[in-house]
Amino acid sequence: GAVVSQHPSRVICKSGTSVKIECRSLDFQATTMFWYRQFPKQSLMLMATSNEGSKATYEQGVEKDKFLINHASLTLSTLTVTSAHPEDSSFYICSASSAQETQYFGPGTRLLVL
Amino acid sequence: GQQLNQSPQSMFIQEGEDVSMNCTSSSIFNTWLWYKQDPGEGPVLLIALYKAGELTSNGRLTAQFGITRKDSFLNISASIPSDVGIYFCAGRGAQKLVFGQGTRLTINP
Repeated sequence: GAVVSQHPSRVICKSGTSVKIECRSLDFQATTMFWYRQFPKQSLMLMATSNEGSKATYEQGVEKDKFLINHASLTLSTLTVTSAHPEDSSFYICSASSAQETQYFGPGTRLLVL
Repeated sequence: GQQLNQSPQSMFIQEGEDVSMNCTSSSIFNTWLWYKQDPGEGPVLLIALYKAGELTSNGRLTAQFGITRKDSFLNISASIPSDVGIYFCAGRGAQKLVFGQGTRLTINP
């Protein structure tokens, strides 16, 4: 299957700082990238859908000013958690797909805000 | 947000046993997908189903797309220790995926 990477895999930051997470499709061009959040022992919850060159579409209840998403190229999307607080601590997972095809997931980024 | 009803939530089995899990939805989906997630990792695609009634196998895994397009099941035959993990079903409508709550599989050697 297709390969999707995320960086960093783990990050610890102080409350009030911003954290950027990168998602890359390594062997295909991803017209669409998705960002999910997963709390312990729970399922994946979609945060936003990002089409290359367009503004991201956020799910209800997700603050677009807090979770900034950029999808500037067909192989890279970034999620920036601005002014992070402890309640933002979670496992963030991206996925990528091309032209309505199957979504392939990255390995996830574990964020811990102190 | 919307979720699929996935059952069972957890399973404790002996190595070598067969496993069956299923997902149901009140909505119709065009595609059903089954993923496996290991601790601290992202989900890995196991099987994708694109047509109602489709039965697809991937090694010891078999999955079916229900005729009504509102359900799917996944079977694992002759389970082995590396099958341990959380299995998620997902339905895809226009673009987004909707996930089930997951089935946590534990295997006793």
